[in-house]
Amino acid sequence: SQTIHQWPATLVQPVGSPLSLECTVEGTSNPNLYWYRQAAGRGLQLLFYSVGIGQISSEVPQNLSASRPQDRQFILSSKKLLLSDSGFYLCACNQAGVDGYTFGSGTRLTVV
Amino acid sequence: GDSVTQMEGPVTLSEEAFLTINCTYTATGYPSLFWYVQYPGEGLQLLLKATKADDKGSNKGFEATYRKETTSFHLEKGSVQVSDSAVYFCALPLDSGGGADGLTFGKGTHLIIQP
Repeated sequence: SQTIHQWPATLVQPVGSPLSLECTVEGTSNPNLYWYRQAAGRGLQLLFYSVGIGQISSEVPQNLSASRPQDRQFILSSKKLLLSDSGFYLCACNQAGVDGYTFGSGTRLTVV
Repeated sequence: GDSVTQMEGPVTLSEEAFLTINCTYTATGYPSLFWYVQYPGEGLQLLLKATKADDKGSNKGFEATYRKETTSFHLEKGSVQVSDSAVYFCALPLDSGGGADGLTFGKGTHLIIQP
């Protein structure tokens, strides 16, 4: 079965600082990968998805970017964080055409 | 596009009470439907799913029936426990195309069970 490793679990960063959140997947190959954000008082929002190495699609315009340098590695980045980037970030994966999704344990980011 | 609407909480119940969390959806066709649960400090876990109309998903005493007539997928449990306290999300596959299906989620329902 698929397992997602996501770190760090919590992060406090000052406004204007860079960000790099990493997500790695075990137990599968060529997965679809996703980054979601859960902002305070709001639901889950899909930020990026990737169907393969170097292939990134963005669902919403924002201050963040994503990269997939390896098949089972998905990175969420920002050059300069904003207060509005605070939230709970979740990495997820699934196989194309398969209903089941696996989620990581999340990173709680607080921008101060 | 496809969307999910679920009752917003918090919902506070006493232990052993009956639980219903409402979820309705708007979609073209008949997508799979999911309930995910997020325990405090953790990521999301799949609780149950149903892949076609009239299917009933069940897990850990929770049930939800895919009803196309009412476009609903309400979550129920006959007798809740304190350990059921969590945030529950109703979800369905995104209609985004491009070869990947993300999920679109409801806003989540925070359930609090008091002893």
